[in-house]
Amino acid sequence: DTGVSQNPRHKITKRGQNVTFRCDPISEHNRLYWYRQTLGQGPEFLTYFQNEAQLEKSRLLSDRFSAERPKGSFSTLEIQRTEQGDSAMYLCASSPRAERNTEAFFGQGTRLTVV
Amino acid sequence: DAKTTQPNSMESNEEEPVHLPCNHSTISGTDYIHWYRQLPSQGPEYVIHGLTSNVNNRMASLAIAEDRKSSTLILHRATLRDAAVYYCILTPSNTGKLIFGQGTTLQVKP
Repeated sequence: DTGVSQNPRHKITKRGQNVTFRCDPISEHNRLYWYRQTLGQGPEFLTYFQNEAQLEKSRLLSDRFSAERPKGSFSTLEIQRTEQGDSAMYLCASSPRAERNTEAFFGQGTRLTVV
Repeated sequence: DAKTTQPNSMESNEEEPVHLPCNHSTISGTDYIHWYRQLPSQGPEYVIHGLTSNVNNRMASLAIAEDRKSSTLILHRATLRDAAVYYCILTPSNTGKLIFGQGTTLQVKP
């Protein structure tokens, strides 16, 4: 297993355009998380899935953001009508169990630049 | 969410031990203490976690105070590759979500 994979690694888009990112978790990990990280800050939680069910969304996740995890495998994060403030690193993580003493495995992230 | 407090930055010399402190005075009895680190241009990487007892693994040791209001991550021999931002995180619930603070930026000097 090669770990958590995120694509693309970099995305430059014009303000107002829609973008979609993909995350492939480690196989058989039923928990999948999305985080956003801006320069100089720690990652901020956005949302998470257990299998295909989206169980929690942060208030940071505005109506322009939507995440899916069809069939409980890969996940997509879509941002509609991008704004310059959406420029950030978007990180995906997966974990094998729904327990508080479980480690999370992160991908390398997708860096979004909105111009 | 319970809060952790860490120094903004620390320096160490290569091949010397490093002790990274974390205060978490509002920790509850079921919170686990996790440490992650983030190297430049990488996603965070799990380091270690514990509940009450001190823990050791191949990367580091975690020393937890008896009252659990503080903990220390110990890197036994720092290398240049250990230069990273180290995050101390409490996990109060079974959601598994991580609430990151600012972390400690560790510089390792040759």
